[in-house]
Amino acid sequence: GAVVSQHPSRVICKSGTSVKIECRSLDFQATTMFWYRQFPKQSLMLMATSNEGSKATYEQGVEKDKFLINHASLTLSTLTVTSAHPEDSSFYICSATTSTDTQYFGPGTRLTVL
Amino acid sequence: ILNVEQSPQSLHVQEGDSTNFTCSFPSSNFYALHWYRWETAKSPEALFVMTLNGDEKKKGRISATLNTKEGYSYLYIKGSQPEDSATYLCAFRAGYAGNNRKLIWGLGTSLAVNP
Repeated sequence: GAVVSQHPSRVICKSGTSVKIECRSLDFQATTMFWYRQFPKQSLMLMATSNEGSKATYEQGVEKDKFLINHASLTLSTLTVTSAHPEDSSFYICSATTSTDTQYFGPGTRLTVL
Repeated sequence: ILNVEQSPQSLHVQEGDSTNFTCSFPSSNFYALHWYRWETAKSPEALFVMTLNGDEKKKGRISATLNTKEGYSYLYIKGSQPEDSATYLCAFRAGYAGNNRKLIWGLGTSLAVNP
């Protein structure tokens, strides 16, 4: 139980394009979903927290107009990196939680912007 | 700035060895300490959520202890097996709501168990 999928697992795109990443809770309803980013040799850094049907809460330093988060249902959240640039190349990973403290993670998406 | 530190950064052991690693976190405000295991190309897997000082949790050959007063948690693996090879992450949570609710992550301890 508590499986989270994330697609795509890997994406390479040209600078200036937009990339959408999907995060789905497959066997449970997630009240909250989290989006993290991890640069090489750094720890997981929370980008934003999203609750179904409401606007995401972004962490300091994360541009909400660049990283668009949509949490349309209790099982799906999407992160769109708009007008991606090489500095946005990173590992993006989502997690989902119910009323407990445990976060269930997807496998992550490796984004490379050329 | 809240800081979570894990040591050692990496560890190589032989199959059958027992091992342990440390997670250090701020002792001033404490709500919960999470341990995760992350195998390459897979999703991080939750191991423990620890909330009480002195707490000890066990899952098979893996156990963890918590000292909130001094700000550390130990993770122990008894009789390491090659399938235990992974990065072990800890994450600290300072409070229940608002900005304190988010998890602050360590860099992890990378464990390699040689057969």
